[in-house]
Amino acid sequence: DAGVTQSPTHLIKTRGQQVTLRCSPKSGHDTVSWYQQALGQGPQFIFQYYEEEERQRGNFPDRFSGHQFPNYSSELNVNALLLGDSALYLCASRRGLSQETQYFGPGTRLLVL
Amino acid sequence: QQQVKQSPQSLIVQKGGISIINCAYENTAFDYFPWYQQFPGKGPALLIAIRPDVSEKKEGRFTISFNKSAKQFSLHIMDSQPGDSATYFCAALNTGNQFYFGTGTSLTVIP
Repeated sequence: DAGVTQSPTHLIKTRGQQVTLRCSPKSGHDTVSWYQQALGQGPQFIFQYYEEEERQRGNFPDRFSGHQFPNYSSELNVNALLLGDSALYLCASRRGLSQETQYFGPGTRLLVL
Repeated sequence: QQQVKQSPQSLIVQKGGISIINCAYENTAFDYFPWYQQFPGKGPALLIAIRPDVSEKKEGRFTISFNKSAKQFSLHIMDSQPGDSATYFCAALNTGNQFYFGTGTSLTVIP
């Protein structure tokens, strides 16, 4: 049983560009959350998707947007990249919106130059 | 505003010793408190979790102590091993199903 998978593993972009990160949840999971983890910090909640809708959103600007597909996979899009967007982006999945146990993927390391 | 405060930032323990990491929270709407372990290049992995109606939970060498009145909880790692060297995060889940994480503790266990 594959766990949460993310692609790509690493990415280098320049300021002003746009990026799309992808996540496939653990088998049987239908809820996907995205987190930003800056170096030396804990994960910060970006948003959560369930039934193809954004259900919760953290304190992130509209440059951060997402999507969930019918197969429960998800994308995170970031527009107009800033140097401060450099971080590890983590995807986590769980079985149901109210389920407490979530499983993280290995993350995508984004570097903005 | 940091919803969950974690200390210490780093910790060095001898093999066989006890590692203790502390967290504090303010929001009484939190009702689930997990601890995650993260190795370099990996995502966080759930280690152990507790609900506020329980004061202590033990799983193997890992124990969570929870003090609801003080709004504090801690992770104790007994008989610490070099393989426990990792970054540990406490977290809290609110009734709106949103997780808040602490800033992390880098644990090094010296052989």
